[in-house]
Amino acid sequence: GENVEQHPSTLSVQEGDSAVIKCTYSDSASNYFPWYKQELGKRPQLIIDIRSNVGEKKDQRIAVTLNKTAKHFSLHITETQPEDSAVYFCAASPLGTGANNLFFGTGTRLTVIP
Amino acid sequence: EPEVTQTPSHQVTQMGQEVILRCVPISNHLYFYWYRQILGQKVEFLVSFYNNEISEKSEIFDDQFSVERPDGSNFTLKIRSTKLEDSAMYFCATKVDQGGDTQYFGPGTRLTVL
Repeated sequence: GENVEQHPSTLSVQEGDSAVIKCTYSDSASNYFPWYKQELGKRPQLIIDIRSNVGEKKDQRIAVTLNKTAKHFSLHITETQPEDSAVYFCAASPLGTGANNLFFGTGTRLTVIP
Repeated sequence: EPEVTQTPSHQVTQMGQEVILRCVPISNHLYFYWYRQILGQKVEFLVSFYNNEISEKSEIFDDQFSVERPDGSNFTLKIRSTKLEDSAMYFCATKVDQGGDTQYFGPGTRLTVL
């Protein structure tokens, strides 16, 4: 089955700096890659996603890049703010085949220092 | 905006007891999922459900687990005889249809097995 690895496990940045979180996946059938933000004690919330037919997607301060050949994708947060502090999970899924379960990475705890 | 809801928010039970966790999906969604998250670990897929039957299940989802949608609204996860290692946060997620990308997560049920 799919195996998603995520690095780093913790990340501290100064407010205003950029943060980058990287994930790799193993199954070449995976074609959908969402990123979820989970604040303490709350549900995971989708913040951005990308399909394998594009290499980059941006939404304001958040961007995701995908290298399908190398099987890795990254989350980029620019101009970080204290409210960006949370645990971020990447995931991979083979859309179009069955129910398309999500396989999650191990999470990155991002701390933005004011 | 419609949200997935889950009850109870916290369930404490004795080892060996049966528990039922409930989820109310977003009304027009057709795919349903259960995930679990052991404290401090990643979110793990348990089972997906479509058209009143299981689509896929992980190796975690053994004979002690079952799912059903008894009344067309609630989607339930039953653990027949709980073990200490079943203690985790259980998230329900739903998706509109096979063509849809996004899985929307409920707030979770924290299950504590004593």
